[in-house]
Amino acid sequence: KQEVTQIPAALSVPEGENLVLNCSFTDSAIYNLQWFRQDPGKGLTSLLLIQSSQREQTSGRLNASLDKSSGRSTLYIAASQPGDSATYLCAVRDNYGQNFVFGPGTRLSVLP
Amino acid sequence: EAQVTQNPRYLITVTGKKLTVTCSQNMNHEYMSWYRQDPGLGLRQIYYSMNVEVTDKGDVPEGYKVSRKEKRNFPLILESPSPNQTSLYFCASSPTPPRSYEQYFGPGTRLTVT
Repeated sequence: KQEVTQIPAALSVPEGENLVLNCSFTDSAIYNLQWFRQDPGKGLTSLLLIQSSQREQTSGRLNASLDKSSGRSTLYIAASQPGDSATYLCAVRDNYGQNFVFGPGTRLSVLP
Repeated sequence: EAQVTQNPRYLITVTGKKLTVTCSQNMNHEYMSWYRQDPGLGLRQIYYSMNVEVTDKGDVPEGYKVSRKEKRNFPLILESPSPNQTSLYFCASSPTPPRSYEQYFGPGTRLTVT
């Protein structure tokens, strides 16, 4: 059964720092991996989607990489801002496109 | 505007009183899914549907029912709610393979069962 973990569970950084969030999954037979942002009490906003055949995706200050063989993905945030404070979730989709498994999330605080 | 809508957004009910949470999407997506989110347990999939009249269990289906009579709607039914179903519920939709299928989430429904 697929299991997804995220490290660290929480992270606090000063504004302007570059940072890396980690996502690991146990079964490499995935169709894609998606990174989300969730603000407290709110829904999920999609940040980046990486297909299993891709190695990375970029959007603005965000860059996500995927190493399917080792079961790892990283989300790199450049020049962090207080508005980046949120919980970041990764989710993997199985090869049949049916099941999604989410990680527990990393709670990020960017201090002014 | 492309979106997934859920109703109600907040609901307080009593044990055993049947309820339905509606979910609708306007993106013509084949795939729809329900999740619950609990502190310390993260997001867990309840049921999903690959297309009209096709539904299947996720990781935590006990105590829930779904139906998919139309492509745009995917209601979640709690026939006899219990306090352990107090949670934050999300509906999501996406296209199906081979199209690239980013998932889109609704705003969430916060359910309290007393």
